[in-house]
Amino acid sequence: GAGVSQSPSNKVTEKGKDVELRCDPISGHTALYWYRQSLGQGLEFLIYFQGNSAPDKSGLPSDRFSAERTGGSVSTLTIQRTQQEDSAVYLCASSSKRGGADTQYFGPGTRLTVL
Amino acid sequence: GNSVTQMEGPVTLSEEAFLTINCTYTATGYPSLFWYVQYPGEGLQLLLKATKADDKGSNKGFEATYRKETTSFHLEKGSVQVSDSAVYFCALGNSGNTPLVFGKGTRLSVIA
Repeated sequence: GAGVSQSPSNKVTEKGKDVELRCDPISGHTALYWYRQSLGQGLEFLIYFQGNSAPDKSGLPSDRFSAERTGGSVSTLTIQRTQQEDSAVYLCASSSKRGGADTQYFGPGTRLTVL
Repeated sequence: GNSVTQMEGPVTLSEEAFLTINCTYTATGYPSLFWYVQYPGEGLQLLLKATKADDKGSNKGFEATYRKETTSFHLEKGSVQVSDSAVYFCALGNSGNTPLVFGKGTRLSVIA
């Protein structure tokens, strides 16, 4: 079946511009996560959606970052007024709701470069 | 809070050598433990997992045992292949589909 997809795969932007990154989770998965992978920093949690509950935004690094999830499916991560330190690979993952920590399935990522 | 510490790389091995990548964790409650692998140019894939103490996860010749007494989940493989060259991430998750906490990753290079 189809896995998690993300678009675009690569995005180059100029400092100060806004960008939108898209994630299509696996159909039926109720939980959706955004992570950031920076060189030397490993994987850093950004934001998490679970069903219709309010998202957990505790990992967002600044108020320039926001995300929404429409209809419990597709999610968009928006970065406003991009800075060079925002350059990273942005990963999306999804999982199904069950008891215990279920496996998260990752998309291929969007590589963001801010010039 | 929860945290994961894994050995720093890079690790370079000859084909058929024995591999160990150490991973220790700090957590409240009873977390599940995971190893994810990222092959060159690809996304993260689940390699194996264990959900409770003394469980052993295994896949593709890799194994890891959930040791609560030493808070460890070391990854091992008896005989590595060139195709195992990748970055390996140890991760921890609590119940209820909460975000994973990852180690910084260990890059493995296997040479023929």
